[in-house]
Amino acid sequence: QKEVEQDPGPLSVPEGAIVSLNCTYSNSAFQYFMWYRQYSRKGPELLMYTYSSGNKEDGRFTAQVDKSSKYISLFIRDSQPSDSATYLCAMGTGKLIFGQGTTLQVKP
Amino acid sequence: GAVVSQHPSWVICKSGTSVKIECRSLDFQATTMFWYRQFPKQSLMLMATSNEGSKATYEQGVEKDKFLINHASLTLSTLTVTSAHPEDSSFYICSARDPTGVYGYTFGSGTRLTVV
Repeated sequence: QKEVEQDPGPLSVPEGAIVSLNCTYSNSAFQYFMWYRQYSRKGPELLMYTYSSGNKEDGRFTAQVDKSSKYISLFIRDSQPSDSATYLCAMGTGKLIFGQGTTLQVKP
Repeated sequence: GAVVSQHPSWVICKSGTSVKIECRSLDFQATTMFWYRQFPKQSLMLMATSNEGSKATYEQGVEKDKFLINHASLTLSTLTVTSAHPEDSSFYICSARDPTGVYGYTFGSGTRLTVV
């Protein structure tokens, strides 16, 4: 079993839809939880960073962490074609472990 | 914010030669940097943790003699791929953690290595 599991998709939604991306993990020692966005042939770009259970909102993005269930989510509201990318969850203590990444396509 | 600069962005080299990739933290000091490798349509795989002033810690299965890591200063870590072969062709990405904790882990823009 991988330490971090993420549905690779691909996920295709119409513009304006709410997108839900999810990851589960097995290591209860993980302290940091992050979501990155990666465009093709580019380095990952940090979207959300949290270290506690609960919700964190930033513009159209909401990150949710449930440590008791070992489950994290990223919600994207009013999705735009420019949101089309690969979304990676990452978590850890010192070093980060990444999920497989979910490829999202938002169609105009 | 915390910025990490990686150079070069792409490189082509002949089989058997060595290639050096640089990773710099531009506006913060990073005692620890991380090196990842990413194959097409796959996620990032941690190769090693680079510690300033000491030896790097390699993940299981990563050849330390092939992937030499040097972290000589608080703002610079280098990854040298020695005696490169076509199977070493990949996307290499470095990362550093902002010591304030505000920006989390920042990534460089990556280096695409092609060995011919």
